[in-house]
Amino acid sequence: QSALTQPASVSGSPGQSITFSCTGTYSDVGAYNSVSWYQHHPGKAPKLMIYEVSNRPSGVPDRFSGSKSANTASLTISGLQAEDEANYYCSSYSTSTTLVVFGGGTKLTVL
Amino acid sequence: QVQLVQSGAEVKTPGASLKVSCKASRDTFTGYYLHWLRQAPGQGLEWMGWINPKSGGSDYAHNFMGRVSFTRDTSISTAYMEINSLTSDDTAVYYCARDRDYQLLRFCFDPWGQGTRVTVSS
Repeated sequence: QSALTQPASVSGSPGQSITFSCTGTYSDVGAYNSVSWYQHHPGKAPKLMIYEVSNRPSGVPDRFSGSKSANTASLTISGLQAEDEANYYCSSYSTSTTLVVFGGGTKLTVL
Repeated sequence: QVQLVQSGAEVKTPGASLKVSCKASRDTFTGYYLHWLRQAPGQGLEWMGWINPKSGGSDYAHNFMGRVSFTRDTSISTAYMEINSLTSDDTAVYYCARDRDYQLLRFCFDPWGQGTRVTVSS
């Protein structure tokens, strides 16, 4: 069982906006602004989409945005595109013995 | 953009050891911490630990202490992950990933290697 809680699946139509949640505790998401989001197309290397809660690496479209409130972080994709269909994982630094914790991932289906 | 290229798929028997390599494509190998992670079938990602390629220093997630070791060969810009006493629970795709910031430990992984599929089966 993953330390961070993500919904197993989310779906949306092209052009829509969609938001993923990532719920942790006061020991991880709530304690640090170190939440990252990764996009993972099966069989490929995961790709960093958001770091430090809301920052986008160069090359990531501004359709992707991140935020955090208390123990829950969120990733929003606006203007959904077919190529966005993938698995999305959140991670956070943690005070637990495992310094980095992940969510179980959310599978995004673009209808 | 640096690329991380990992060694190929492996099939191991229970009790065996495994060594996976991760080669960086550019000369910035010693400037960034390198992490190892894995993903078991149907499971989420699991962080295993990090190595500082410059000093060779490393740290391991609690679950892997004593069974995993990270090493590197700076002359060929390659890091290695070795895991001992394999069980079926170690069946997973193993990834190396560079920390995002130069000489800093941010636990933010970018880029990632392509993954090495490991199957442990008798």
